[in-house]
Amino acid sequence: ETGVTQSPTHLIKTRGQQVTLRCSSQSGHNTVSWYQQALGQGPQFIFQYYREEENGRGNFPPRFSGLQFPNYSSELNVNALELDDSALYLCASSFGQREETQYFGPGTRLLVL
Amino acid sequence: AQSVTQLDSQVPVFEEAPVELRCNYSSSVSVYLFWYVQYPNQGLQLLLKYLSGSTLVKGINGFEAEFNKSQTSFHLRKPSVHISDTAEYFCAVLKGGYNKLIFGAGTRLAVHP
Repeated sequence: ETGVTQSPTHLIKTRGQQVTLRCSSQSGHNTVSWYQQALGQGPQFIFQYYREEENGRGNFPPRFSGLQFPNYSSELNVNALELDDSALYLCASSFGQREETQYFGPGTRLLVL
Repeated sequence: AQSVTQLDSQVPVFEEAPVELRCNYSSSVSVYLFWYVQYPNQGLQLLLKYLSGSTLVKGINGFEAEFNKSQTSFHLRKPSVHISDTAEYFCAVLKGGYNKLIFGAGTRLAVHP
């Protein structure tokens, strides 16, 4: 059974650019959630995808968007990058909309200059 | 609204000493509670969870936590810590409806020889 994987591990962008982060969920899981973890803080919920549909969104602007594919992998897209978008982006997978346990990937560290 | 408060931002402790990391939550409904550990430059690893049943929950690496509904607490304990336990520990509560985790700000456990 493979765990949650994310790519790339690190990324440097400049303000105003766009970025795409990728996540492969754990085998058998159909739900993916994305979190942003700023330096020295706890993760903040961005949104969740269940069976290719957005299933809840946190307090993030529309320039944060996502996709989930038929194989349940997922992408997080951020447009018009701002300096404050610099953070560790974590993907978590689980089974079902109401499954209690989420399993996290290693994260993608994004630096916006 | 649900929230999580981790009462200590940093906890220094000597090797083989006991440790308690404190977590309080606020919620007007039934909750599911979690502790995750984050080692430097890594993602989150699930330590333990409380969903229902026995209020004393045992997790990996010798950690345990006790759910106290009257005090709305879910403190994490280990009777004897090791250098390798040095990490950031996050308490989280599950927001129902769409499986959104709400995290505390984290507690940095530093184990000294």
